[in-house]
Amino acid sequence: EVQLVESGGGLVQPGGSLRLSCAASGFTFSDYWMHWLRQAPGKGLVWVSRINSDESSTIYADSVKGRFTITRDNAKNTLYLQMNSLRAEDTAVYYCARPRRGDYLDNWGQGTLVTVS
Amino acid sequence: DIQLTQSPSFLSASVGDRVTITCRASQGISSYLAWYQQKPGKAPKLLIYAASTLQSGVPSRFSGSGSGTEFTLTISSLQPEDFATYYCQQLNSYPRTFGQGTRLEIK
Repeated sequence: EVQLVESGGGLVQPGGSLRLSCAASGFTFSDYWMHWLRQAPGKGLVWVSRINSDESSTIYADSVKGRFTITRDNAKNTLYLQMNSLRAEDTAVYYCARPRRGDYLDNWGQGTLVTVS
Repeated sequence: DIQLTQSPSFLSASVGDRVTITCRASQGISSYLAWYQQKPGKAPKLLIYAASTLQSGVPSRFSGSGSGTEFTLTISSLQPEDFATYYCQQLNSYPRTFGQGTRLEIK
């Protein structure tokens, strides 16, 4: 069974940093691209970033470009999101997600809440 | 960026009703569209991909159609567990974007 478990969320002051982790199991992690998405309280879904399977390609939403960095450790089956220069508008539940063929997101973690205040 | 506009934003319906949610894209996205269902406090669940293909395990009362700029999600006979928020997402280009959501509530 595919499992994605996020951790690392919490309360941080504006301008601070946080690193989120997503521990993957139940599939060959190194074979899959991975994504981060977020959802502000009471709001809709927003795509944040994607990394390819060997870490050679990353892409970001404009709202986080230059502040967030997506990485992965295929030996540890873990995806990361380093978040720097955090702003109040980054407050959200952050989800990691694994796509099926075609990049459709068929497996999601339970989310981790980041509060910038 | 490609904008997705869902309508309606809010829908009140009864068990057994047939409902349709529309998603319009600001430019053509071929069939690179997904539909997700999200319940409060839970992660989204993939229902439909490639505009019309039912994800494994999703009940057949859900169906999707469309291509280009206009897409629909139809639930043929609402069940109590279907009351949730529904999102469309385009996968034609980056950044991936979502519609604003359609909240489906019990009448």
